[in-house]
Amino acid sequence: GAGVSQTPSNKVTEKGKYVELRCDPISGHTALYWYRQSLGQGPEFLIYFQGTGAADDSGLPNDRFFAVRPEGSVSTLKIQRTERGDSAVYLCASSSPNNEQFFGPGTRLTVL
Amino acid sequence: AQSVTQPDIHITVSEGASLELRCNYSYGATPYLFWYVQSPGQGLQLLLKYFSGDTLVQGIKGFEAEFKRSQSSFNLRKPSVHWSDAAEYFCAVVLTGGGNKLTFGTGTQLKVEL
Repeated sequence: GAGVSQTPSNKVTEKGKYVELRCDPISGHTALYWYRQSLGQGPEFLIYFQGTGAADDSGLPNDRFFAVRPEGSVSTLKIQRTERGDSAVYLCASSSPNNEQFFGPGTRLTVL
Repeated sequence: AQSVTQPDIHITVSEGASLELRCNYSYGATPYLFWYVQSPGQGLQLLLKYFSGDTLVQGIKGFEAEFKRSQSSFNLRKPSVHWSDAAEYFCAVVLTGGGNKLTFGTGTQLKVEL
C-alpha cells in the first residue's frame, strides 16, 4: 500500500513569508508526528497528533509554528514569518497507536 | 541532561567487513530503543527495536543490536557489510510514559569501500 507522502518535496521561500507543508499519512493510522531535521543533526520532535487533536506540541520552537489535522488524516504544518534558521527537512511520520512510526520522504525547506 | 549519544560521526568500512555503530543513552529509566537508517532521498526506515526481554534483537537487512543496561548502550552490529549499507544511521529512544515521540541521536554516516 501507499506510504506516508509529503508535499512539496522542496520549498524555497523568502524570509518573512508564510509556508504550508502537507503530510498524507498511511490510511487508517490515527497517530501523526512532525519532526524537523537540520543539516548534520538527527530529527527533532515538533508535534504529535492522536486523531484530530494535538496530543503533544512541546517541540514546536515558537508561536510562528502551528499544525492542524482537521479530519484526523492529512496534516498541515504552517510556518509564519519564516526565518533563515527555519531551513531544514521537515519529516512526517504516522503510526497506529504505540506502534512503529513510518516516515515520509520529507520536505526540504530553504528560507533565503 | 537526558540525551542520546552517537559518538562516531563518520565510519568507513570495507565491504565484507564487520560493523559496529555505537549508541549510548542517558535517562533515569530504560527507554524503548530503536535504530533507523536513512538513505539519500529516502525516508527513515526502522531497522530494529528493543522494548524488553531478550537483550539481543534481530532486525532487517541482517542487522542486530544488543542492549546493555550496565553500559546504557544499544550498539548496532552487522557481521558483513554490503556496499548498499552505505547510509546514515540513527539511534533513537522513546521514553516510557512520554507518549510515542522519538528522540534521536545525531547520526553516524557509514561509508563502504569496495
